Amino acid sequence: GAGVSQSPRYKVAKRGQDVALRCDPISGHVSLFWYQQALGQGPEFLTYFQNEAQLDKSGLPSDRFFAERPEGSVSTLKIQRTQQEDSAVYLCASSSSGTGANEQFFGPGTRLTVL
Amino acid sequence: QQQVKQSPQSLIVQKGGISIINCAYENTAFDYFPWYQQFPGKGPALLIAIRPDVSEKKEGRFTISFNKSAKQFSLHIMDSQPGDSATYFCAARMNRDDKIIFGKGTRLHILP
Repeated sequence: GAGVSQSPRYKVAKRGQDVALRCDPISGHVSLFWYQQALGQGPEFLTYFQNEAQLDKSGLPSDRFFAERPEGSVSTLKIQRTQQEDSAVYLCASSSSGTGANEQFFGPGTRLTVL
Repeated sequence: QQQVKQSPQSLIVQKGGISIINCAYENTAFDYFPWYQQFPGKGPALLIAIRPDVSEKKEGRFTISFNKSAKQFSLHIMDSQPGDSATYFCAARMNRDDKIIFGKGTRLHILP
């Protein structure tokens, strides 16, 4: 079946604008993760959902970042009042196990550029 | 505080040679150590993984060597090919904690 998909693939925002990034996980996958990957760096954890429950949001850098997964499938990461330091690739990953024992499958990411 | 330290930052290897990337960790609660491969414009993809009760794992040309007492592990790519040119990340995860902690990555270039 299809892998994890993300949209848009590229987003350019002016500083201060709000953006919304979408993640479609692999069908049936219970767990969904968001990571932020700055240029030339490894991905860094942002937040984790098990079905619709957000179990860990310890990696969200500020209260301008908000994520939701209301029906336990598609997830949206929203960034309010974007700043230049928010420029990065935002990766979504999903896995089939609620216990975290299984592999996380990553999407291609959304590259956000804040001008 | 970087929980997983990776070296080198970049690596150039001749075709057919052995590529070696090293990682070290501090947290003994980590119970799963994956390696990811990432091509430009793509997300990371799992390459091979190991648990700390095993000292070595081999899958095709890729081998992980794990030294629990030294808290170090490494990836060896045998008979390196130009198609192996990519960025490689070592990582760690606690058994009951789903988030993955990534190293900073190694950009590998295989000369044809």
